[in-house]
Amino acid sequence: EVQLVESGGGLVQPGGSLRLSCAASGFTFSSYAMSWVRQAPGKGLECVSGISGSGGSTIYADSVKGRFTISRDNSKNTLYLQMNSLRAEDTAVYYCAKSRMGNIIRDAFDIWGQGTMVTVFS
Amino acid sequence: EIVLTQSPATLSLSPGERATLPCRASQSVSSYLAWYQQKPGQAPRLLIYDASNRATGIPARFSGSGSGTDFTLTISSLEPADFAVYYCQQRSNWPPTFGQGTKLEIK
Repeated sequence: EVQLVESGGGLVQPGGSLRLSCAASGFTFSSYAMSWVRQAPGKGLECVSGISGSGGSTIYADSVKGRFTISRDNSKNTLYLQMNSLRAEDTAVYYCAKSRMGNIIRDAFDIWGQGTMVTVFS
Repeated sequence: EIVLTQSPATLSLSPGERATLPCRASQSVSSYLAWYQQKPGQAPRLLIYDASNRATGIPARFSGSGSGTDFTLTISSLEPADFAVYYCQQRSNWPPTFGQGTKLEIK
């Protein structure tokens, strides 16, 4: 079964850091670009970062550029999002999502994790 | 950044009726548009990719159409499980952006 399982969310103060993880199974992880998509409470969806299958190409939304870092360990079938300098507006459920077509970062997302909640509060 | 507009925000229909959900892009996205369904407490589910292609396992009552800036998701005959929030998403430019969603509710 193709599956993505996120972990690492929690409560953090403004300016703090968190690292999210996404464990993948059921597909050849290294063959697919992956992304992080977030959803603030009661709001819509925002794609914040994407990474190619090899990890050699990464891209970020302007809202997180310079603060978040996406990475992957293909030997562990795991995707990461290092979040630094967190702000109240980063409060959201964070989903990892698999690109449908393979190593295309700008893609539709055919598999999503269940999400992990990040709350930034003072 | 490409802005996707979904209107109305809420659509009230009855089971068995046909639903037509529009999505308009602020500039052409060619056919690079997808549709997702999201139920409360769940992750989004891919329904349609590249404007008109059903994703794996999606029932035939879901169909997509359009190109350029105007797109439509059609549900031919609503079933109780179809009442949810629907989002469109473009992949033409980075970042991939989503519409604000249309909530399909039971009338």
